[in-house]
Amino acid sequence: AQSVTQLGSHVSVSEGALVLLRCNYSSSVPPYLFWYVQYPNQGLQLLLKYTTGATLVKGINGFEAEFKKSETSFHLTKPSAHMSDAAEYFCAVSELGAQKLVFGQGTRLTINP
Amino acid sequence: EAGVAQSPRYKIIEKRQSVAFWCNPISGHATLYWYQQILGQGPKLLIQFQNNGVVDDSQLPKDRFSAERLKGVDSTLKIQPAKLEDSAVYLCASSLVGGGYQETQYFGPGTRLLVL
Repeated sequence: AQSVTQLGSHVSVSEGALVLLRCNYSSSVPPYLFWYVQYPNQGLQLLLKYTTGATLVKGINGFEAEFKKSETSFHLTKPSAHMSDAAEYFCAVSELGAQKLVFGQGTRLTINP
Repeated sequence: EAGVAQSPRYKIIEKRQSVAFWCNPISGHATLYWYQQILGQGPKLLIQFQNNGVVDDSQLPKDRFSAERLKGVDSTLKIQPAKLEDSAVYLCASSLVGGGYQETQYFGPGTRLLVL
């Protein structure tokens, strides 16, 4: 069965610092991986997704993530944090034949001025 | 292009009462999903429709929850009777084609339910 673990329910960084949000997955077949962002009182918005091909995926708002099969990871990074990046971030996995997303528990990102 | 619409945005009810949530997906999207998001957790899929047929309802508590998608467009999720543990945000999402494993889901703003 698929599962996702996000390390750290709360991450705090200074404005301009590197953002690193960790995600590890469990899947019995090649996975498809997603990062969604949720701003307060809003629904989830897709940041980026990995399906096949290049393992480094670029998304919106300067975020990117790298699929590492050997480490079963899909960590999200941004070189320089901005105040507007403060939100909840969810990693999710699906797999061929499953047709549904399984989400991690989320990481709340706080940006300090 | 209009996004996924949900109403109401907030609802407060007493336990054992009934409540219904409405969702209007993005025009032309064949697949519609209802998720339950409990505070501090990620969304959990309750039910998935493709057009007006159910694809997956394995995590829907069928003794109290029901959902329908008439004419393959709007959908209603009902809880009857509500329990305290049903307090959560109920998210509706839609996707274009068949809910494929790599397809992007578009989420509405959610309905925040508080059961007292």
